[in-house]
Amino acid sequence: EVQLVESGGGLVQPGGSLKLSCAASGFTFSDSAMHWVRQASGKGLEWVGRIRSKANTYATSYAASVKGRFTISRDDSKNTAYLQMNSLKTEDTAVYYCTSMYAGSPFFDYWGQGTLVTVSS
Amino acid sequence: QSVLTQPPSASGTPGQRVTISCSGSSSNIGSNNVYWYQQLPGTAPKLLMYRNNQRPSGVPDRFSGSKSGTSASLAISGLRSEDEADYYCAAWDDSLSGRVFGGGTKLTVL
Repeated sequence: EVQLVESGGGLVQPGGSLKLSCAASGFTFSDSAMHWVRQASGKGLEWVGRIRSKANTYATSYAASVKGRFTISRDDSKNTAYLQMNSLKTEDTAVYYCTSMYAGSPFFDYWGQGTLVTVSS
Repeated sequence: QSVLTQPPSASGTPGQRVTISCSGSSSNIGSNNVYWYQQLPGTAPKLLMYRNNQRPSGVPDRFSGSKSGTSASLAISGLRSEDEADYYCAAWDDSLSGRVFGGGTKLTVL
């Protein structure tokens, strides 16, 4: 069974830091690109960033809204991806989803259940 | 303001055919594949369509996707009550070097 389980969400003050984890199982994690997508309450989906596979040199890309503050990493030995969030702002408050996408065959795009991050004083 | 433009709402009666549009530009839809996601209330999004018109295993053939130029659309035929959800389009944007989503379309089954 495919599973992506996010953890690490919670309440943090503006300017603070938080690190989210995404544990994967049931598929070949190392071959896939890992994305983070967030959704503020009642709002649409916003792409945060991604890290590609080792075959693609673990290349990272970020949305302009988080570039320089957020860092995505992965540990293929642990089948886990991470989202390090620094200098958090109130507008970063959202449910954060990790997604695993493989563009080969068969194509897949799995999503976790999400973890809530609340930035508030 | 989302990079990809979707109508905020759509509706239909059971059995009808509904189409949801997604408009972009040459840097995203015009040069990359389009993906569609379905988000049922209180749940995570689920992939509905990939590479413009490919259905993942388990997605009914009532759902179909198409792309032309800088626009794409998702069609749902034989509308059912369980199709009531939010639908999002997505594509890679070469200018932004990132993935972009549409603002989402809330589908109501009357």
